[in-house]
This record gives sequence, C-alpha cells and structure tokens, in this order.
Amino acid sequence: NAGVTQTPKFQVLKTGQSMTLQCAQDMNHNSMYWYRQDPGMGLRLIYYSASEGTTDKGEVPNGYNVSRLNKREFSLRLESAAPSQTSVYFCASSETGGNSGNTIYFGEGSWLTVV
Amino acid sequence: AQSVSQHNHHVILSEAASLELGCNYSYGGTVNLFWYVQYPGQHLQLLLKYFSGDPLVKGIKGFEAEFIKSKFSFNLRKPSVQWSDTAEYFCAVYDYKLSFGAGTTVTVRA
Repeated sequence: NAGVTQTPKFQVLKTGQSMTLQCAQDMNHNSMYWYRQDPGMGLRLIYYSASEGTTDKGEVPNGYNVSRLNKREFSLRLESAAPSQTSVYFCASSETGGNSGNTIYFGEGSWLTVV
Repeated sequence: AQSVSQHNHHVILSEAASLELGCNYSYGGTVNLFWYVQYPGQHLQLLLKYFSGDPLVKGIKGFEAEFIKSKFSFNLRKPSVQWSDTAEYFCAVYDYKLSFGAGTTVTVRA
C-alpha cells in the first residue's frame, strides 16, 4: 500500500518556467490537499479538493493552479515559477474532511528550487 | 481560519529528559487537534489526534497530549525522550481546513 505518492521528488526550475507536481493516493480518499512547507512557517495550505470535481483555495493559492483529475489524482501546477515558490511541497489526503475523525496522510514531499 | 501558535522554535534536550511542547489555537467551537512529527528527510507522520472524549490522548512512541478547552491548548508531552525523537513537531487544528503551527525543532543529545 503506497499511500500518497508525489512526483517528482526534486526539481530545479528557472524563473518563468512551468511545471506540474503530480500526486496520487491509493486509499480511496475523497479529500486531497497541497501544502507548502517553508522554514519557520509550518505548512500552509495552497489548495484543497474536498471531493472529486471540486477544488478550493487555501491560504496561499497565488501563482498556483490545481486539477482534481479523478478521485485518485490531484495535481499542482506552477504556470510561471518564481523564486518565492522555492519550497517543499506536500500532497495529502483524507477520507473526508479532518473534522470527521479521519487522519490526513501526507506524501513524502517534493523539493522545488526556482533559480 | 484558525491560527496555531507553537511556543518554542527549537528545544534541545538530553536523553531521558522530559519534553513538553506548547500549542495554542485561536478560537473555540468544535475543533479537531493533531500533532504530527517529521523526522529528518521524511514526510509528516501522525503522532496523535483528539476529536472528542478523554482530553488526555495517548499517541505512538510514548507521546501524549492534553486538550484544555478553556485555554485553547493542546500540549504535547513525553516523560523520557530518546535520541531518536530528534525531529520537527507540528501542531495542527482542523475546523474547515487543517492549519499548522510553525513547528518546533527538537534536538535530543545522546
């Protein structure tokens, strides 16, 4: 059981380039999330998807877009990367929202550097 | 949205010392509370969670946390730490989304 799988694990981009972070979960979860982790700031929610076909903005959505391709997959796209987007990105999933007693499970992270 | 405050940025301990990490959230109502741990180079793992019932919650690896509703707090404790507890610890609160504190780095010296 792989849980939450993210690709790529490491990526270096030039300013202005675009890229997509892929995420898939095999736990049949309804809700999926993208967070970014920066030193001293904890994890901040970029976008989330409460269920297949829906997406909503989190705390820091600017510069990102997401696609909930199907129940398993939730991708994060940087259309024009900026150095401020250098971060570690975590995908996560839960059966439903976290207020129903369900644990949120995290992927292993994607280290993105924008130069 | 909730804001989550973790009291300590970096804690340094010796093995066998007791650990307590503070966590406060900004407002009441029905909230669900979590502590996650991130070992060096790894992803976040759930230590424990509180949804309802006994406010003293037991987690994995000997950790426990106490929910004090009147203080909006959910502090994490471990009576005797080991070198392997060196990690970053995150408190998180869920109301309509999961909000994280800034994290506390715990370094345990052998």
